[in-house]
Amino acid sequence: TQLLEQSPQFLSIQEGENLTVYCNSSSVFSSLQWYRQEPGEGPVLLVTVVTGGEVKKLKRLTFQFGDARKDSSLHITAAQPGDTGLYLCAGTSYGQNFVFGPGTRLSVLP
Amino acid sequence: DAMVIQNPRYQVTQFGKPVTLSCSQTLNHNVMYWYQQKSSQAPKLLFHYYDKDFNNEADTPDNFQSRRPNTSFCFLDIRSPGLGDAAMYLCATSRAEGAGGYTFGSGTRLTVV
Repeated sequence: TQLLEQSPQFLSIQEGENLTVYCNSSSVFSSLQWYRQEPGEGPVLLVTVVTGGEVKKLKRLTFQFGDARKDSSLHITAAQPGDTGLYLCAGTSYGQNFVFGPGTRLSVLP
Repeated sequence: DAMVIQNPRYQVTQFGKPVTLSCSQTLNHNVMYWYQQKSSQAPKLLFHYYDKDFNNEADTPDNFQSRRPNTSFCFLDIRSPGLGDAAMYLCATSRAEGAGGYTFGSGTRLTVV
């Protein structure tokens, strides 16, 4: 069974600060995704990474897939209150269903 | 816009009274999933359909059943809800298993009284 760990579990920061959250596993993934889930809503896909070492940017969000494809990070620059939510990573290995991590709950205070 | 729609958004049911949650999609995706998400936890896959093929997760209780009468609709039936079944239930779709992104509905929050 593939397991994903995410850290930190909770993060509370002030508007304008930078932050990085992590997603780690002992398994190799062929594809890894990041989702953001707002309270009372379903998760929304942010990005998919498939190549070891890959870096993708989505406005103020930077996603990196580890060289060994076992870990990933999400960096947010100049966080805004609208970034508040639960950030979930999910990984798959060659056609298997995605497995979700427990998430990092981010709160950005104005 | 193409989307995944779950009804109702909030459902209150009595202990032991059967309840059905519904999901519809306009994406024409082959795969439909049902997840259970409890507070501060990761979504847990209950089962999924690839077209008409039903795939049950090994640890999904027998109390949970699903039906997919056509490509667009999928139902989650809880035969005898217990207090431990109170959770957010998320429906998701994808083009294929383990490929592409999942599109999630807004979820149904189930309360058992």
